[in-house]
Formats: sequence, C-alpha cells, structure tokens
Amino acid sequence: DQQVKQNSPSLSVQEGRISILNCDYTNSMFDYFLWYKKYPAEGPTFLISISSIKDKNEDGRFTVFLNKSAKHLSLHIVPSQPGDSAVYFCAALASGTYKYIFGTGTRLKVLA
Amino acid sequence: GAVVSQHPSWVICKSGTSVKIECRSLDFQATTMFWYRQFPKQSLMLMATSNEGSKATYEQGVEKDKFLINHASLTLSTLTVTSAHPEDSSFYICSARDGGTSGYNEQFFGPGTRLTVL
Repeated sequence: DQQVKQNSPSLSVQEGRISILNCDYTNSMFDYFLWYKKYPAEGPTFLISISSIKDKNEDGRFTVFLNKSAKHLSLHIVPSQPGDSAVYFCAALASGTYKYIFGTGTRLKVLA
Repeated sequence: GAVVSQHPSWVICKSGTSVKIECRSLDFQATTMFWYRQFPKQSLMLMATSNEGSKATYEQGVEKDKFLINHASLTLSTLTVTSAHPEDSSFYICSARDGGTSGYNEQFFGPGTRLTVL
C-alpha cells in the first residue's frame, strides 16, 4: 500500500522554465511534508518542507504548495537549471512520529 | 549543516559472509538513526529505526536476525547484513535525527553504501 505516490516517474523541462513535481498521499494523519533531491549513488539532500498549517512555503527558486483537501503537494522550481537534474522524492510524516514515508520519486531532467 | 557519513561507500562480498556498514553523525548528536534500503528506480524503504542505547524497531517484513542494528553511541549506528545473499544486494542509506531540538526534526542522510553480494 503506497501511502505517498509520485505518479510521474520522469519529467523533462527546458532550462529557465518552471518544473512542477507532484506528490499525492492517502493518509490524513500526515501533517508534515518534505522534498528531497537525490543524485545516483548518493544520499538524499533536503530541499524544502511544509507543515500542514500552511499551504505554501518558498525558499529561493523552490516553492512547495500543499492542498490538504486534495491530499496533494507540489514542488515548483523556477527557473530550472541543468544542475537541478536529479531524482526528487517527497516524504510525509504523521503527527507524533519521526518516520518518513517516501514517494517513489520523479526523475527531473533539465535540458540546456 | 549537519553531516552524516557512511562507511564503506561500496562493498562487494561473497555469498554467506557478513558485512558491517557504519553510519556516523559528524557534528551533532543523533538520538535516532534510521536505516533505509533502495532498490534501483524505487523508493527509499525504511528498514528500521534505532535509538541510542535501545533495541532497534524493525519495519514489517524486515528480518531483524538478518539485519542487525546497533546504536551504541549518539554518533554511531551500525547495520550488519548477516549471511548475505545476492538478493541482499542494494543501496543502503542511513539518516540521523538531531535530538537537540523538538518538533519535526529534519533527517540528515548519509551518502549511502552500495552492497553487491556475489
């Protein structure tokens, strides 16, 4: 039972344009969400997070949007750069736990 | 930022042998460390959660006698894959949670260990 899903396994975007990565979850107990970036054979690197009390969080080129009613979050990267090419994972936590549930990942390729 | 190291970064071993992977938090005390496993093109699957000085909590389907976890200090956790078999070949990643603050602490991930069992 995949509680956190990233339905797009891959995404290609032209350099300078916006990249939108999507994540859906099923567990209504999740109330904290994170996005990680991962290169092959490396550990994930934290990008940005959002609490369920917010619907938007912004950090530089990265913005995360949360739609609680739809159980959906998205990561926007503007402008996209070739160095952003990596696999992006969303992760969710339920209240009172420290256990991350990861999505299946989306491979982003930013074309120069 | 907080740094987590893993050693070795890759290891090749023969079937039937045991392999130990170390995870260290270099500049903070990690009250909780987590061990994940990632198969090619798949998600990171949590294997177990280890708290310093206590037994690890294993996720459903993970054999605790197969994957021995020791968290002897606030900066070191080890995962030992016992009697490794080719199906244990995978990318193992640890993460550590900084116990110095409360709330939803970010987990800091190690660089991972690629295990290949021949």
